[in-house]
Amino acid sequence: KAGVTQTPRYLIKTRGQQVTLSCSPISGHRSVSWYQQTPGQGLQFLFEYFSETQRNKGNFPGRFSGRQFSNSRSEMNVSTLELGDSALYLCASSLGTAQSSYEQYFGPGTRLTVT
Amino acid sequence: DAKTTQPTSMDCAEGRAANLPCNHSTISGNEYVYWYRQIHSQGPQYIIHGLKNNETNEMASLIITEDRKSSTLILPHATLRDTAVYYCIVRGTGTASKLTFGTGTRLQVTL
Repeated sequence: KAGVTQTPRYLIKTRGQQVTLSCSPISGHRSVSWYQQTPGQGLQFLFEYFSETQRNKGNFPGRFSGRQFSNSRSEMNVSTLELGDSALYLCASSLGTAQSSYEQYFGPGTRLTVT
Repeated sequence: DAKTTQPTSMDCAEGRAANLPCNHSTISGNEYVYWYRQIHSQGPQYIIHGLKNNETNEMASLIITEDRKSSTLILPHATLRDTAVYYCIVRGTGTASKLTFGTGTRLQVTL
């Protein structure tokens, strides 16, 4: 079974621009979560989508948004990029049920650099 | 979610058991202990989880104290490929998938 895929793997953007990152979960998984990882703040939860609905949200500004499509693929968007948005963005998928939500499968991440 | 405390770093000789401790003294009765690891620049990988009984799978064993205030992840025969940051996470039941990562323990396995 194919794992979680994220595209692109690397991205360089300029301050003020916006960016869209994509995540394809494992087949059959309906929950997709996004995390940001920086050296200073570590791994932080951004949001989770389940069946095209945002089910949980972390403490990030409104510039960070996401969506999920009917095939469970998810995108996250960051508008008006700031230097501090430079990070590794990780996507994780799971079945999304109470019994299985502990076991999340992470993708390789997208390395975003903002200059 | 309850907070966890882990040592910043540990060393282990290859072939020996690696014992990674985690303190979660404020854990609630319905909260599970999860362990993930992250090998350099890769996404975190699920290892094991437990509520109050000891658990074992093909990767590791999880020992939870009777009062549930601490636990130990055991890698029985550490290899160089086990070098990673190990995260101990406590969270409750329910469908929300949010994981709250701490700073973890950086395990260095050496020859």
